[in-house]
Amino acid sequence: SQTIHQWPATLVQPVGSPLSLECTVEGTSNPNLYWYRQAAGRGLQLLFYSVGIGQISSEVPQNLSASRPQDRQFILSSKKLLLSDSGFYLCAWSRQVVNTEAFFGQGTRLTVV
Amino acid sequence: AQRVTQPEKLLSVFKGAPVELKCNYSYSGSPELFWYVQYSRQRLQLLLRHISRESIKGFTADLNKGETSFHLKKPFAQEEDSAMYYCALSGGGSNYKLTFGKGTLLTVNP
Repeated sequence: SQTIHQWPATLVQPVGSPLSLECTVEGTSNPNLYWYRQAAGRGLQLLFYSVGIGQISSEVPQNLSASRPQDRQFILSSKKLLLSDSGFYLCAWSRQVVNTEAFFGQGTRLTVV
Repeated sequence: AQRVTQPEKLLSVFKGAPVELKCNYSYSGSPELFWYVQYSRQRLQLLLRHISRESIKGFTADLNKGETSFHLKKPFAQEEDSAMYYCALSGGGSNYKLTFGKGTLLTVNP
């Protein structure tokens, strides 16, 4: 069976510090990978998605970046965090077939102080 | 561009009443449409997809291409239906970008 792991579950970081959130998928190969930010009143905002190693599509210009160094690993990063980066971040994966279901991780609550 | 609009942030109904959660979309091609649900303290999960034309937990959704809508309906709401509901769109084919609406928080009162 397939599983998705996302960590850490919670994170408190000072303004200006770097960020690295990691997401890994097990039990499948060549998945689509997604990073979303979930905020009250804003729903699920797509930040980045990837259809293969090294292929990143950025949806919202901002202080964050994403990388996919391995087939089933997706990393969300920042060199210098801003207060506005606080939020709940969700990783998801799906198969590369039509009408496919996306499976979500449990999320990371990031608080920038 | 692909966009999903859920006009209602909050929806409150009584148990046994019908419920309809609205979803409109914008996409130039033939989209794939989904409803996802997030119950309290649980992961976001798929509820249903338009291609399946299925009823899940009593919910149905019909794709209306003329009105570009994919509203979610249930004839008799239950308290356990209380959750956050998201409508989502994928471009189909090799377009795997998955876009969500802002969500509707459904509360079913006893």
